[in-house]
Amino acid sequence: GAGVSQSPSNKVTEKGKDVELRCDPISGHTALYWYRQSLGQGLEFLIYFQGNSAPDKSGLPSDRFSAERTGGSVSTLTIQRTQQEDSAVYLCASSFGTGGNQPQHFGDGTRLSIL
Amino acid sequence: SQQGEEDPQALSIQEGENATMNCSYKTSINNLQWYRQNSGRGLVHLILIRSNEREKHSGRLRVTLDTSKKSSSLLITASRAADTASYFCATAGWGGFKTIFGAGTRLFVKA
Repeated sequence: GAGVSQSPSNKVTEKGKDVELRCDPISGHTALYWYRQSLGQGLEFLIYFQGNSAPDKSGLPSDRFSAERTGGSVSTLTIQRTQQEDSAVYLCASSFGTGGNQPQHFGDGTRLSIL
Repeated sequence: SQQGEEDPQALSIQEGENATMNCSYKTSINNLQWYRQNSGRGLVHLILIRSNEREKHSGRLRVTLDTSKKSSSLLITASRAADTASYFCATAGWGGFKTIFGAGTRLFVKA
């Protein structure tokens, strides 16, 4: 596709369940980011992948959060044993090249609601 | 605390007026970017200004950067109802990838 694609667009689940969020970046983009956005707030950095380098996981809020990127393309963000405070919009972005010098292209996010 | 802080938090203007949003940051930066977000959508990149630049234009957008004051402004001229959105500044440091976003300014343009 032409842009970053995220699925599902909405996810409602019960507290304690595991969830998987998917991101398909723009073809050829080597960098991929995950952010979390609470209602009416800015973006909280979670994790970054760049090519074959080890990801920077410094923004992950707890060990319940993990992410992987297979084949340098699709990425999955997994939240285990979800809590109500995990409710937010999870945004994925990709960019061409390294560093923070390139514009990031965002998907429309996954709105996660934990009951 | 977050690197970028936007001001004001919310702005309501009439169509045709200019809108100015400000961003302040705390540490040395490589570049500063402005993004726009429509309700329920992802962010869209508007403009990137590097630390050695002072002003940049793109259509109705004008961005300034004052590294001595660690601040930037985004001016939207002749605003339209379609400009209604949240606007975020984001800063990138040196030698890294991480882009830190502020909390945003919510702009409402009344037709």
